[in-house]
Amino acid sequence: AQKVTQAQTEISVVEKEDVTLDCVYETRDTTYYLFWYKQPPSGELVFLIRRNSFDEQNEISGRYSWNFQKSTSSFNFTITASQVVDSAVYFCALSEAAGGTSYGKLTFGQGTILTVHP
Amino acid sequence: DTAVSQTPKYLVTQMGNDKSIKCEQNLGHDTMYWYKQDSKKFLKIMFSYNNKELIINETVPNRFSPKSPDKAHLNLHINSLELGDSAVYFCASSQDRVALPDTQYFGPGTRLTVL
Repeated sequence: AQKVTQAQTEISVVEKEDVTLDCVYETRDTTYYLFWYKQPPSGELVFLIRRNSFDEQNEISGRYSWNFQKSTSSFNFTITASQVVDSAVYFCALSEAAGGTSYGKLTFGQGTILTVHP
Repeated sequence: DTAVSQTPKYLVTQMGNDKSIKCEQNLGHDTMYWYKQDSKKFLKIMFSYNNKELIINETVPNRFSPKSPDKAHLNLHINSLELGDSAVYFCASSQDRVALPDTQYFGPGTRLTVL
C-alpha cells in the first residue's frame, strides 16, 4: 500500500522568509509519480509539479523548488522569499504506475497549512 | 475556458434526501475521478472512470453511485444522505492511465452540507 506523510501540520512564517514543506512517501512500486498541489483559501486544487521516480533532478520554477531524494523517500518543496499569496494548504501526493493494484489514483498526504504573515 | 467544471458549487440538503453532483471536463481526457475532502482537509479517492468504464471503487458506501454518460462527464449521485457525507467533493480528470499516471486536474469542488 502506498502512503504519503506530511509531518508538518501548520507552518507560519513572515513574508520574505524561505520555507520548506516536507513530504515522505512509501510505495512498493519502482515506478511512480509524485505531485504537489496547492489549495488556496478559495478552495480549488492547483497542480504545481509532477516528478517521476526515475528523475531525481531537482527542479526550480521561479520561487519554487523541489528536492526529490529516493534514498530517503522524500520529495520536499521549498518556497524562497515567501509572499502572503503563498498562504494555502499544500498537498503532496503519490500515484503508482499501471500494473499496480492502486494505479491511477492519487494518495494524498495530510496537507500542510502555510500562513505567510506580512 | 473552464477545464474541469462542477455543479453545483454549494449544496445544502436534509438528511435522507437524494442529490447529484455533475462534473464535466473539456480537456479531452480519458479518465475522470471523484475525491472527497473531509473537514480536516484530508483528500481520498472515491471512484475512477476510464472511457466510461469504472476502474477504481474505493470502499465507498453503495449509496454513492457514479455515472459516466460519456468520457467528458462523470456525475455523482448520492442516495439517503447522512450527516457524515458533509464534505467537499472534487472531480478530476487526466489524459490516460494506461501507462504512467498523468497529471490530474481538479474541478473547483462542491461543498455538500447535510443538515
